[in-house]
Amino acid sequence: AQSVTQLDSQVPVFEEAPVELRCNYSSSVSVYLFWYVQYPNQGLQLLLKYLSGSTLVKGINGFEAEFNKSQTSFHLRKPSVHISDTAEYFCAVGANQAGTALIFGKGTTLSVSS
Amino acid sequence: DTAVSQTPKYLVTQMGNDKSIKCEQNLGHDTMYWYKQDSKKFLKIMFSYNNKELIINETVPNRFSPKSPDKAHLNLHINSLELGDSAVYFCASSQLQGAPGSPLHFGNGTRLTVT
Repeated sequence: AQSVTQLDSQVPVFEEAPVELRCNYSSSVSVYLFWYVQYPNQGLQLLLKYLSGSTLVKGINGFEAEFNKSQTSFHLRKPSVHISDTAEYFCAVGANQAGTALIFGKGTTLSVSS
Repeated sequence: DTAVSQTPKYLVTQMGNDKSIKCEQNLGHDTMYWYKQDSKKFLKIMFSYNNKELIINETVPNRFSPKSPDKAHLNLHINSLELGDSAVYFCASSQLQGAPGSPLHFGNGTRLTVT
C-alpha cells in the first residue's frame, strides 16, 4: 500500500518570496508522483508529475519538484510566488499496479500576501 | 468544452432522502473515479470504473451505489442520506487504469449538504 504525508498543513509567504511545500511518500512498489493545485470552489488541476528519468520535474505556473528516492520525498518549489498562487496543494502517489488509484496527501494551504 | 463535467454543482437535501450525482467526460478516457473531499479537504477514493467495470470499491457504505452506463459516464446514487455524507464529491477520469503515470482529470465537484 502507498501513503503520502504532506508535512505542512499551512504555509504563509509574502509575494515574490520562494516557497517549498514538502511531501514524503511510502510504498512497497515503484510509484509515480504528482502535485495538484485546487483553487477555491474548483476541482484539482495537475501541476506536474514524475514518472521516471530526470528527478527534477518542471510544471505549470513556474513550479518544479524534485524526486528523491533515498529520502522518499517529492517537494514542490517555486522561486518567486504570486498572490494568484494562493490555493490548496495536494501531493499524490500512484502505484504501477492494476486496481489502484491515486492516494492523496492531506493538502497544504499556501497563502501568499503582499 | 468542459472535459469532466458534474451535475449538479450544489445539492442541498434532508436526511433520509435519496439523491444522484452525474458525471460525464469527453476525453475518451477508459477509467473514471469518484473521490470524496471532507470538510478538512482530505480526498479519499470511493470507486473506480474501467470501461464500465467496477475495479475499485473502497470501504464505502452500501448506501452509495455507482453506475456506469458507458465509459464516458459515471453516476453516483446515494440512498438514505446522512449528515456525515455532507462533503464535496469529485468525479475524475484517466486514460488507462493502472497505466504508468496516467494523471487524473477532475470535474469541479458537487457540494452535497445534508440537513
